[in-house]
Amino acid sequence: EAGVTQFPSHSVIEKGQTVTLRCDPISGHDNLYWYRRVMGKEIKFLLHFVKESKQDESGMPNNRFLAERTGGTYSTLKVQPAELEDSGVYFCASSRDRGTGELFFGEGSRLTVL
Amino acid sequence: QKEVEQDPGPLSVPEGAIVSLNCTYSNSAFQYFMWYRQYSRKGPELLMYTYSSGNKEDGRFTAQVDKSSKYISLFIRDSQPSDSATYLCAMMEDSNYQLIWGAGTKLIIKP
Repeated sequence: EAGVTQFPSHSVIEKGQTVTLRCDPISGHDNLYWYRRVMGKEIKFLLHFVKESKQDESGMPNNRFLAERTGGTYSTLKVQPAELEDSGVYFCASSRDRGTGELFFGEGSRLTVL
Repeated sequence: QKEVEQDPGPLSVPEGAIVSLNCTYSNSAFQYFMWYRQYSRKGPELLMYTYSSGNKEDGRFTAQVDKSSKYISLFIRDSQPSDSATYLCAMMEDSNYQLIWGAGTKLIIKP
C-alpha cells in the first residue's frame, strides 16, 4: 500500500510569489490533514478535510492560504502571495477514522521564502 | 504557557540503555495521547497511541499516561542506534480532531 505522498519535497521561492503544494493521501482515507512546522516551533494544525469538505480550517493563518480537495482525493495547498514567515515544512497526513489521532504522515514539503 | 511541554534535548544514551521520554500538558480535556517518531527529513510516524489513562506496551516500547498529573511518558528498552530520532508527543481532545504537539525530543543512541 502506497503511503502519503507530497510534492514538491522542497520549494524555494521569492517573497510575493505563489506556491502550490500537493498531497496524495492513502487510498481509502477520507480524512486529510495539513500541518505545518516553522523553524523552532511545534508542529501546528492547519486544516482537516473529510472527503472533499473542509471539516475544520481554524488553523489556517490567513487568507493567503487556500486549500482544496477536489473529488475527495488529492489535496492542494496554495500560498499566494508568499511571505517570509511562511517558510517551514508543510506536512500532509491522512486517516481512515477521524477521532483517534492515528495519522499517517507524508515526508513533508519544505518551503523556503526568500 | 504552551499547552504541551517537551524537553527538546538532545538526549544521548549508550546502546542498550532504557530511555525515558516525557511530556507535560495543561489541557485536562486531552483524551488521546500519541507518540510519534521522526527521522531526519521524514514525516512523523505513529509509534504508540493511548486513550485516557494507563499503560500500553508494544515490543520494546511502553507508553504511560497519568492524567491526574498531566504527564505522559515513553520508555524504550534495550535501545538501539536505529532508535536515534526525534520523538514527538501529540494530544487530542475527544471532539476536536486537531493534534497538539510537543516540540520533540532529539534522542541519540551511541553504539
